[in-house]
Amino acid sequence: DAKTTQPTSMDCAEGRAANLPCNHSTISGNEYVYWYRQIHSQGPQYIIHGLKNNETNEMASLIITEDRKSSTLILPHATLRDTAVYYCIVRVGGSGNTPLVFGKGTRLSVIA
Amino acid sequence: DAGITQSPRHKVTETGTPVTLRCHQTENHRYMYWYRQDPGHGLRLIHYSYGVKDTDKGEVSDGYSVSRSKTEDFLLTLESATSSQTSVYFCAISEFYRGTNEKLFFGSGTQLSVL
Repeated sequence: DAKTTQPTSMDCAEGRAANLPCNHSTISGNEYVYWYRQIHSQGPQYIIHGLKNNETNEMASLIITEDRKSSTLILPHATLRDTAVYYCIVRVGGSGNTPLVFGKGTRLSVIA
Repeated sequence: DAGITQSPRHKVTETGTPVTLRCHQTENHRYMYWYRQDPGHGLRLIHYSYGVKDTDKGEVSDGYSVSRSKTEDFLLTLESATSSQTSVYFCAISEFYRGTNEKLFFGSGTQLSVL
């Protein structure tokens, strides 16, 4: 599976959009991009995933560049409860025998 | 949210003693996983299961064994606990979602301290 690179930490003002970047320049055509987050001391929580098209759900939007070498997770109106570590993971889709491998993620701090 | 229960939630044990952590699900999902989380290392996969009696190793499996005798239970055993196994242990299950099974649901974690 392709390696991902994320900033170690980011800050965002409450109410503003949080844009979390992820670089996956070695991604291959059948690899999906997944985002999870982990709020302090809790288990990680699924946010969104996509292959090549942009995706949106009730939690966030995922923007994948046309060449698929990078993506951005957008939290449109960040709240204090969005303070968490955000993990970007790239993996071949549908390969149930290949579990997700979590890196160190980006620590997002939402500031009042 | 998926029904996942980890037990115990907290455990303190001594070096050299056996320890078993239990993960119980009520969702009938095929895939179950054990991860550990340590400061500076993030989440690391220990073992996983893709069905009853079907298990495989993850990236940090040394010193751990697992068993899955029925769909709902996935046990993680430390045969002889060491201080390096002090960690927070998370169990997860995966749901078949949008044609793939990458939507993981995690339990609340077990804090294990080996003294």
